[in-house]
Formats: sequence, structure tokens, C-alpha cells
Amino acid sequence: AQSVTQLGSHVSVSEGALVLLRCNYSSSVPPYLFWYVQYPNQGLQLLLKYTSAATLVKGINGFEAEFKKSETSFHLTKPSAHMSDAAEYFCAVSNSGGSNYKLTFGKGTLLTVNP
Amino acid sequence: ETGVTQSPTHLIKTRGQQVTLRCSSQSGHNTVSWYQQALGQGPQFIFQYYREEENGRGNFPPRFSGLQFPNYSSELNVNALELDDSALYLCASSIKVGTGAEKLFFGSGTQLSVL
Repeated sequence: AQSVTQLGSHVSVSEGALVLLRCNYSSSVPPYLFWYVQYPNQGLQLLLKYTSAATLVKGINGFEAEFKKSETSFHLTKPSAHMSDAAEYFCAVSNSGGSNYKLTFGKGTLLTVNP
Repeated sequence: ETGVTQSPTHLIKTRGQQVTLRCSSQSGHNTVSWYQQALGQGPQFIFQYYREEENGRGNFPPRFSGLQFPNYSSELNVNALELDDSALYLCASSIKVGTGAEKLFFGSGTQLSVL
């Protein structure tokens, strides 16, 4: 079975500050890991994904995440927050990236960016 | 813009009724997945269709069923609606070629309210 835990349902940062959103996963096999962003009244947009290549993954909008197997973590970071980053962020895991692809999502972290 | 369109955007039904939600994928996307996102939760995988056949299912009862059509459209049908079925339903399409974590393109969802 696979699962995802996102630590902190709500994170608030100031504009220009570091963004750190935490994600820990559980998987019985080497996982595929993802971060998605959801803006109000919109679907999910892929920020980045880890597929067993480089452990440091760079995504869109200046976000990156580091896969740490020993810590079973895949935390999302951005050096400097912008107002436009305010949204809900979901970490997801899949260990069936082949013919039976399905994602298990965390409960999400709402990011608020203060001016 | 993901190229995935869902209809209707909002829907209100009463308990016991049946509902059909629709999704139109990008041309060439041979895989469609459906997710249920309850309020304050991450999306939960319902099932996936590949080339018009069910190709994986999450922990949802048989009253949740689907169809995928050759014209890249699909349907999610829910019978005997229950109050707990109230949620945002997301469809996500992708192109499956061999194995690997293909990118999912999410629609904006259908908000279903069951009264």
C-alpha cells in the first residue's frame, strides 16, 4: 500500500520568504512522487515529478523538491515566495507508473503569501 | 489551459438519484482517470480507463461506473447517490505509451452536491 502525509494543512509566509512544504510518503516499492498545485475553482496542475532519476527535481514557477529515501520525504521548496504562489498544494505518490497508474494524494497544504 | 473539459461545472442532486458526469479529453489521450475530492481532502482515485476498458479501480463501490468513448470523451456514472458522494469530481487524461509516469492533464472538475 502507498500513502502520503503532508505536514501542516496551512502554511503562511511573507512575500520573498522561503517556501517549505513538507511531504512524507510510504511505499512498498520505489515510488514515483509528484507535487501538484490547485488554484481556486481550477483543476490540478503538475509542478514537478520524481521518477528515479535525479534526486533533486526542478519544476515550474521556481519550485523544486528533493527525494530523500532515508527520510521517505519529498519536501517542496521555493527560495522566494510570490503572491501568485498562494494556492493549495498536494503531494502524491504512485508505485504503479506502468499499466495501472493511479495516484494517492495527501490532504493538501494551503499556502498563504502575505504582502 | 489543460485541454480537458468537464461538464457540468456544478450539479445538485437528491439522495437516491443517479448522475452522469462528462469529460472531454485532448485528442490522442488514450487514458482517462477519475478522482473524487471531498471538501478539505486530497483527490481519491476512483478508476482509470485505457482504450475504453477499465484499467484499475480504487476503493469505490460498484455503483460508481464509467465509460470511455473512441472520440476521447468519457463519463462517470454514480447510482443511488448518497450524501457522502458530495464532492468535486476530477477527470484527468494522459497518453499511455509503454510504462512510466505519464503526465496527467486535469480538468477543472464538476462540483456535485447531494441533498
